[in-house]
Amino acid sequence: AQSVTQPDIHITVSEGASLELRCNYSYGATPYLFWYVQSPGQGLQLLLKYFSGDTLVQGIKGFEAEFKRSQSSFNLRKPSVHWSDAAEYFCAVVASRLTGGGNKLTFGTGTQLKVEL
Amino acid sequence: NAGVTQTPKFRILKIGQSMTLQCTQDMNHNYMYWYRQDPGMGLKLIYYSVGAGITDKGEVPNGYNVSRSTTEDFPLRLELAAPSQTSVYFCASIWKDPLNTEAFFGQGTRLTVV
Repeated sequence: AQSVTQPDIHITVSEGASLELRCNYSYGATPYLFWYVQSPGQGLQLLLKYFSGDTLVQGIKGFEAEFKRSQSSFNLRKPSVHWSDAAEYFCAVVASRLTGGGNKLTFGTGTQLKVEL
Repeated sequence: NAGVTQTPKFRILKIGQSMTLQCTQDMNHNYMYWYRQDPGMGLKLIYYSVGAGITDKGEVPNGYNVSRSTTEDFPLRLELAAPSQTSVYFCASIWKDPLNTEAFFGQGTRLTVV
């Protein structure tokens, strides 16, 4: 079964500093990977997704992520963090029905980002 | 276009009571999911459905039931509420194929069992 690991529960960065949130996945076939963001009391919003092709994907709000098959990683990055980026971030994977995964959308445990002014 | 609508937004239940969390989407999405979110645990999949009349268990189905009689509705039923079911519940839907599009989420239902 597929799984997603986000090793950092909390991260604090200063406004204007760069950011990298880690995500590792476990899945036998080609994964379909997502990053979502959740503001307090809100639902989840898609930041970006990777299905195939270019391993560096661009998302909304200035975020990007790089898929590295050799490291089973899909880390989220932002060059300069804004105070409004403070939120919880979730990495997710879909296991394809075509490879026995049932099209289940599985989430990591999340990383809480705090931005210091 | 309302997207995914969950009701109620908040609810307090007593141990042993039952209730149904409603989830409706108006986007003609085939795939629908129910998650529970607990602090530090991320989102855990309870049940999901790939179309009307088809449901399947996720990671944490015990204590819950679902049905999918129409494409639009995917209610989650708690039969005998327990304190362990205190959580925030999210419903999500995906159009035709989760490999090609994003999931749309409802605003959540905060449930407390006392």
